[in-house]
Order: sequence, then C-alpha cells, then structure tokens
Amino acid sequence: NAGVTQTPKFQVLKTGQSMTLQCAQDMNHNSMYWYRQDPGMGLRLIYYSASEGTTDKGEVPNGYNVSRLNKREFSLRLESAAPSQTSVYFCASSPLAGGGNEQFFGPGTRLTVL
Amino acid sequence: DAKTTQPPSMDCAEGRAANLPCNHSTISGNEYVYWYRQIHSQGPQYIIHGLKNNETNEMASLIITEDRKSSTLILPHATLRDTAVYYCIVGHYKLSFGAGTTVTVRA
Repeated sequence: NAGVTQTPKFQVLKTGQSMTLQCAQDMNHNSMYWYRQDPGMGLRLIYYSASEGTTDKGEVPNGYNVSRLNKREFSLRLESAAPSQTSVYFCASSPLAGGGNEQFFGPGTRLTVL
Repeated sequence: DAKTTQPPSMDCAEGRAANLPCNHSTISGNEYVYWYRQIHSQGPQYIIHGLKNNETNEMASLIITEDRKSSTLILPHATLRDTAVYYCIVGHYKLSFGAGTTVTVRA
C-alpha cells in the first residue's frame, strides 16, 4: 500500500496563477484533510471531507477550494495564488471523522508563490 | 488560541527515557489528547492518543493526569531516529498543531 500520495512534490507559481494539488489514499478511508505548514510553525487545517460527497471549512479556508472527487481522491485548488500561500501542503486521511481516529499524512507539496 | 503548551525544545541521551510534558488546562470532557511527531520536513506521524486513561503502544506511553489538564508522552528508550518535533494536540478530528517540542536525542 502506498498510503497517502500527493502530487506534485514541488511547485513554483507566479502571483495570480492557479493550480490544483492532488491527493489520493489507498486505505479505504472515509475522511480526508488538507493542512498547510508555514515555516517554523505547526500545521493548520484548511478543509476537510468527513465522507465522500461532503466538504467543510477548517481553520484557514480563505483562498482555497476543494473537491472530493471520489472516496480515494481529495484535491485542493488555488484559484489565484498569492505570496501568502507559500507553504508546505499536507494531505491526510483517517478511517472516520471522529475522535480517536489516527490520521495518516502524505509527504507534502512544497509551494512557492512569487 | 493555543489549546496546548509545550516546552520549545529538550535534549535526551540515547538509550534513556524521554519525558515530554504538555499542558492543556482548557480541555473539554470529550476531547482527546493526541501526539504526533514530524521528522525533518516529512509528513507528521501518529504516535498515540488517549481520552482519560493512560495508554501504551509499541512506540510510546501516554500518561494523562486525573484532572486531564496535562499529559506526558514517554519514549522509553530514545534513539537517534527519535529526533523530531513532537506535537501535543487536543480535539476530535479537526486537528490544530502548535509549535511543538523539538526533541534532540544525543549519542
């Protein structure tokens, strides 16, 4: 099992460009999450999907949209990138969206917005 | 608002136990205590979680005080590969990671 995979690994954008970060999991998990990690800081939740067909805002959703394409895939879209969105983006999944569930994280996408 | 307080850094000798403290005085009755770690810039790795009782798994032990206002993560025999940032998080599934404790294991 590959676990949680993310593409691309690295990306450089110019201000105003758009892009989609892809995430997939092969563990048959119901819930998926997108986090961002700014330099020297912890992770903050952007959006999550408790189950296929549902999405909800997390702590820092502004400037992002998400799509739960199917049970395996959860994408994050930046419609008009800004330098403040320079960060490392992590996708995670868990069996259920509930207390006591372990989250499994992908390797991250390192995004720089110039 | 910070829900947990951890020391910014600590050192540990290889082969010795590492005790990582965490204060979470505002924890609510149904919130869990989770511990994750992040090695270099990799994705965080789950270590352990608990609600009220102490917990142990193959990686670590979690000791939660009776009033649930603080906890301690114990790595029983630290190795160089345990050097990482350790995060203590309280909540359900919408996790919010603070700055964590940078643990350096020295030979």
